Amino acid sequence: NAGVTQTPKFQVLKTGQSMTLQCAQDMNHEYMSWYRQDPGMGLRLIHYSVGAGITDQGEVPNGYNVSRSTTEDFPLRLLSAAPSQTSVYFCASGGTSGTNEQFFGPGTRLTVL
Amino acid sequence: AQSVTQPDIHITVSEGASLELRCNYSYGATPYLFWYVQSPGQGLQLLLKYFSGDTLVQGIKGFEAEFKRSQSSFNLRKPSVHWSDAAEYFCAVGARGYSTLTFGKGTMLLVSP
Repeated sequence: NAGVTQTPKFQVLKTGQSMTLQCAQDMNHEYMSWYRQDPGMGLRLIHYSVGAGITDQGEVPNGYNVSRSTTEDFPLRLLSAAPSQTSVYFCASGGTSGTNEQFFGPGTRLTVL
Repeated sequence: AQSVTQPDIHITVSEGASLELRCNYSYGATPYLFWYVQSPGQGLQLLLKYFSGDTLVQGIKGFEAEFKRSQSSFNLRKPSVHWSDAAEYFCAVGARGYSTLTFGKGTMLLVSP
């Protein structure tokens, strides 16, 4: 099992550009989430999904879109990047046991100039 | 909504000394509790978790944590710190029936020779 994979590992964007951060898991987990990590702020929830076709907003959803067409994939879209979106992004997945245990990907470090 | 407080931003411990990292949570019922560790430039690794039952839980790398309902705490301990334990540690809480986590802001552990 590869677990949770994320691409790319690093990305530099200019203000106003768009891009998609990819996330995939091979554990057949229903739950998937996106977090961003900023210095001194811990991890904050952006969006999450409880299954294919079902998504919801987290604590900091503005400027980001998600969709979940398959169980395996949960891409995060930045429609018009802003410097405030410079961060490290982590994707996570969790099983159906209802215990909230999250398995994290290696992260994507995004810089917006 | 739940919340997590990690009162110490930085802690410095001598190698071989004992360690306790503090975590306090706010949640109306018994939560699911987690400790994660993050080495510089790396993803998050689960150290241990509490779901129910015995309030003293053992994790990897010689870490343990104790759930104290009366104090709303879940402090992480290790009897003898190794230089390789230097990292950032995050406490997280999950609300039962939900699929996401709320993280504290982290405690950076520095280990002195």
